[in-house]
Amino acid sequence: SAVISQKPSRDICQRGTSLTIQCQVDSQVTMMFWYRQQPGQSLTLIATANQGSEATYESGFVIDKFPISRPNLTFSTLTVSNMSPEDSSIYLCSVGTGDRVTQYFGPGTRLTVL
Amino acid sequence: AQTVTQSQPEMSVQEAETVTLSCTYDTSESDYYLFWYKQPPSRQMILVIRQEAYKQQNATENRFSVNFQKAAKSFSLKISDSQLGDAAMYFCAYRIRDNTDKLIFGTGTRLQVFP
Repeated sequence: SAVISQKPSRDICQRGTSLTIQCQVDSQVTMMFWYRQQPGQSLTLIATANQGSEATYESGFVIDKFPISRPNLTFSTLTVSNMSPEDSSIYLCSVGTGDRVTQYFGPGTRLTVL
Repeated sequence: AQTVTQSQPEMSVQEAETVTLSCTYDTSESDYYLFWYKQPPSRQMILVIRQEAYKQQNATENRFSVNFQKAAKSFSLKISDSQLGDAAMYFCAYRIRDNTDKLIFGTGTRLQVFP
């Protein structure tokens, strides 16, 4: 498995502002994933981030709202732009390691938008 | 499209007893993986167990085991000798065996463990 950290662990933001969430892994990984978990809901994949290429977004998620960077094989950021209260969620990053079958998750970032 | 269904929003079990959480999925693929993840109040997603569809033998990890019925598209999780620390949300997840690595999650089952 991998050790994954996320910053910040939580934040309270004002509507209209942006927040950048960082995900750091202790080993090099090819693919990193960003998920959103709305209150009381399951996880929904936002995008897949490969190093050296543009992120691949799932239906319903767009780059202007959730820009992603992947500058190297151990780090990625997700920005939540022009936030509204509907963006209040837990945001989790995950990686696949070893045989790439299993994904391991970071501790999540709890975002509240007022 | 692939879907994952967990029909039990909440379950409860007495400490030291056994509980089974249900999961069904819909897919036209023959080669895929299934997972159970646990999310305690700390919100960290923790892998509990995984099953490869091509394996007939049910996966087991200590007190956790699955009942994988491929024809019925059913993948239940059995927790034996339940402990207070097992209290959490449990999510069933599916991924196709391809290069996208995408996971599809069910809606989750909240498990309460009573002393």
